[in-house]
Formats: sequence, C-alpha cells, structure tokens
Amino acid sequence: GAGVSQSPSNKVTEKGKDVELRCDPISGHTALYWYRQSLGQGLEFLIYFQGNSAPDKSGLPSDRFSAERTGGSVSTLTIQRTQQEDSAVYLCASSLEGFGYTFGSGTRLTVV
Amino acid sequence: GNSVTQMEGPVTLSEEAFLTINCTYTATGYPSLFWYVQYPGEGLQLLLKATKADDKGSNKGFEATYRKETTSFHLEKGSVQVSDSAVYFCALSDQGGSEKLVFGKGTKLTVNP
Repeated sequence: GAGVSQSPSNKVTEKGKDVELRCDPISGHTALYWYRQSLGQGLEFLIYFQGNSAPDKSGLPSDRFSAERTGGSVSTLTIQRTQQEDSAVYLCASSLEGFGYTFGSGTRLTVV
Repeated sequence: GNSVTQMEGPVTLSEEAFLTINCTYTATGYPSLFWYVQYPGEGLQLLLKATKADDKGSNKGFEATYRKETTSFHLEKGSVQVSDSAVYFCALSDQGGSEKLVFGKGTKLTVNP
C-alpha cells in the first residue's frame, strides 16, 4: 500500500483481556518496528523485525507482550492479560534499508 | 546505553519568531541523528537527518547540525508559522546492529498567529 496501515485505530479493552494489534507495512519494506508512545514518556522501542533474521525483542516490557511477522509482511503485536499501564499509542514503522522510517498512525489502546 | 535528551516543553511562540529546540545525546560510536515531527492527529514523519559529524540536515525551513564535540543536534527555524505547531522528537540510531531508534521525550510547539 501507499503507507503503513495499522488497525484498529482505537481499542478499548477490559483489564485482563488479551488484545491483538495489526500492522501492514509498505510493500517491499524488509524492516518492521513496533514502538509504544505513552503520555510524557516519548517513544519506547518494543521489537524489530529484519527480513528472515531473528527479531530483536529487547524492548518488550514483559512476557505478556509478543509479536509475529508472517511471510515477511504483516505483523501482529499481542498483549496478554492487559493492565492499565499498557494504555498507550502503539506505533508501527517500516523501512527498506534501515533509515527513513515510515510510521503508521498508530493504535490507541485504552485498558479500563 | 544510548540516550537522547531534548528540552522540556511546551514551547509557545508567535508567528515569525525564531525557534530553537535543544537536543543532546549520549552514544557510543557514531550514531545517525534525526528529527521527527508529529502533527496533530497524524503519525510521525521524518523531518530531517544527519549521518555524520558536521552534517547539516534541512527541510521545510528547519535545520539541525550534527555537533560531535558538544554531542548536540539542535533544531532551528528562522521564522515559524502556525502550521509548524506539532510535537518534535529528536532521535538517534542504535549502534546495536539494528536500525532501531532511541527517541527523546518530545517537545510540543504551539505557534500563535
């Protein structure tokens, strides 16, 4: 597609429920990143996929967080047993050669 | 580890005023430096970048110079417009072999007519 597409744009969930956030990167982009944007905290790196290499999961805050990238394209970020501190905007970005990310508009997650 | 520190906001200016948003970094090696902008209701966009010392990135009237000696990458614009109102993020590329970025906390700029 023309840009990075994320869905849903907004998600409200009850504490303890699992959620899945989806990212469709730009076609042909080999690198895909997930970041979290919390109020007053800037952007926090979560996970990075590059081609067929093992993902860099060093930013995932707990084992409740996981992500997959199927077929080198679409990625899903899963948060299990959501907590109120998980409320944030989750941003996905893709790039072709590592520089010049294109970000999606994000998924605003609210845990109530 | 690598880190980015940028000036606390919010910053409020009148149209045509001079803008400086300070950014300093801590990193091993020679990172690349970036400014991203997030307009209200939109995703982050790359504003400008510099990949080595003394490089100057520029775009839309904004400039920033990679200063290795002061580990800084301050964002400047000579005459801001209302349409520049946004949140600005300074970032550097990680040196861990991937291209993940380390971001500052962002500075919100409001330009009044």
